[in-house]
Amino acid sequence: AQSVTQPDIHITVSEGASLELRCNYSYGATPYLFWYVQSPGQGLQLLLKYFSGDTLVQGIKGFEAEFKRSQSSFNLRKPSVHWSDAAEYFCAVGAQGGGGADGLTFGKGTHLIIQP
Amino acid sequence: KAGVTQTPRYLIKTRGQQVTLSCSPISGHRSVSWYQQTPGQGLQFLFEYFSETQRNKGNFPGRFSGRQFSNSRSEMNVSTLELGDSALYLCASSLALAGYYEQYFGPGTRLTVT
Repeated sequence: AQSVTQPDIHITVSEGASLELRCNYSYGATPYLFWYVQSPGQGLQLLLKYFSGDTLVQGIKGFEAEFKRSQSSFNLRKPSVHWSDAAEYFCAVGAQGGGGADGLTFGKGTHLIIQP
Repeated sequence: KAGVTQTPRYLIKTRGQQVTLSCSPISGHRSVSWYQQTPGQGLQFLFEYFSETQRNKGNFPGRFSGRQFSNSRSEMNVSTLELGDSALYLCASSLALAGYYEQYFGPGTRLTVT
C-alpha cells in the first residue's frame, strides 16, 4: 500500500526566509505526487503536482517541488515566505491510472508558523 | 468556473442518528471523492464515484455509504452515528478518475456528533 511521511509536524520560519518542507513516499510504481495547503477552517488548495516529465515542478504562490525518485522524496520549497503562507501543508500520493483502493494517500501534514 | 461546493457547512447530530452530506463538483468534472479529516487520523479516503458507480473504497465500515447522480453531484450518508464520526468531511472532484487527474477540494462539512 502507498504511504506518505512528513517528518516535520511543526516548522517555524521567519518572514522572508526560505522554506523547505519534507515529504517521503512509498509506492511500488510511478506515483502521482501532490502538495496541498489548508488554511484554518478551509478545504485543501492544490499547490502543485507531479505526474511525469521534468522533476522540478512549479506551482502557485511561488512554491516549487522536486521529485527525486532515488530518495522517494517530493520536497516543497519557497525562496521567501510571507506571513500569509502560515497554514497546514499536506503531501499526497496517488496511484497512477486509478483502480486502487486508496484514492489519494495524505501525509499527516506540516504546520507552518511564520515569525515576523 | 465555480469551485466544489458542499452543503451543509456545519452539522450537529446525536449518536444513533443518520446524516446526509451533499457535494456539487466543478462543472464538467465527473469524479467525486470523499475524505474524512480528524486530528488523530488525519485525512483518510472514504470512496470515489465516477459515472454514478463507486470505483474505489477506503477502509471504513458499511455505515458510510454514498451515491452519485447523473449530473455528477454526490451525496454521502453515515448511519447510526458514533462520537468518533465527528470530523471534517471533504469532497473533491476531478475531470475523470482521480488516478489520472488532480482533485479539487471543497470547503468541507464540519460534522459534530454529541
